[in-house]
Amino acid sequence: DGGITQSPKYLFRKEGQNVTLSCEQNLNHDAMYWYRQDPGQGLRLIYYSQIVNDFQKGDIAEGYSVSREKKESFPLTVTSAQKNPTAFYLCASSIAGARTDTQYFGPGTRLTVL
Amino acid sequence: AQSVTQLDSHVSVSEGTPVLLRCNYSSSYSPSLFWYVQHPNKGLQLLLKYTSAATLVKGINGFEAEFKKSETSFHLTKPSAHMSDAAEYFCVVSDPNNRLAFGKGNQVVVIP
Repeated sequence: DGGITQSPKYLFRKEGQNVTLSCEQNLNHDAMYWYRQDPGQGLRLIYYSQIVNDFQKGDIAEGYSVSREKKESFPLTVTSAQKNPTAFYLCASSIAGARTDTQYFGPGTRLTVL
Repeated sequence: AQSVTQLDSHVSVSEGTPVLLRCNYSSSYSPSLFWYVQHPNKGLQLLLKYTSAATLVKGINGFEAEFKKSETSFHLTKPSAHMSDAAEYFCVVSDPNNRLAFGKGNQVVVIP
């Protein structure tokens, strides 16, 4: 059963804490992406990785960090430097990084800062 | 830079009537365009995509979209709305590195 899994589904964090969101795919895709979604807005790109051990900043990378040590995994850390972290976070993957490649999305993690 | 404009943030349609969601894009490149659907608290599902082949693209669940370069548009249509079509719809354009630019979405309500 192939796909993208994100965990946890819901996450609560106290202010000042770092938290890591998990994203795993078994589609054998090279490229992976992290997006943030806020109410009434489209998705915004946080980070992306087109190959293992390499990643690039997206449009809103400040306050976030990522790693890509394995092809199937692309965890996102939301640091205490992120001013407004409460949002819905979506991970995606595509077979490669070409503009015609479809991105497939995971079910998302809803992060709430208390 | 690339961008997408989706007018009408909320769209109400009666069950059995046509659906039209409008999308206009701006791109420095020959664009790849996508429509995704999102049900509440779920990830996004691909409806259809255009990648410079046929300009009329057919997707899942009876949806289709037509690419019109002269109008920089990629409107989404469905002949007859179903209750299960109630969701949020995003028009998306990709750049050569597959970085996606999303519109702000259309929230579709289907009235019985």
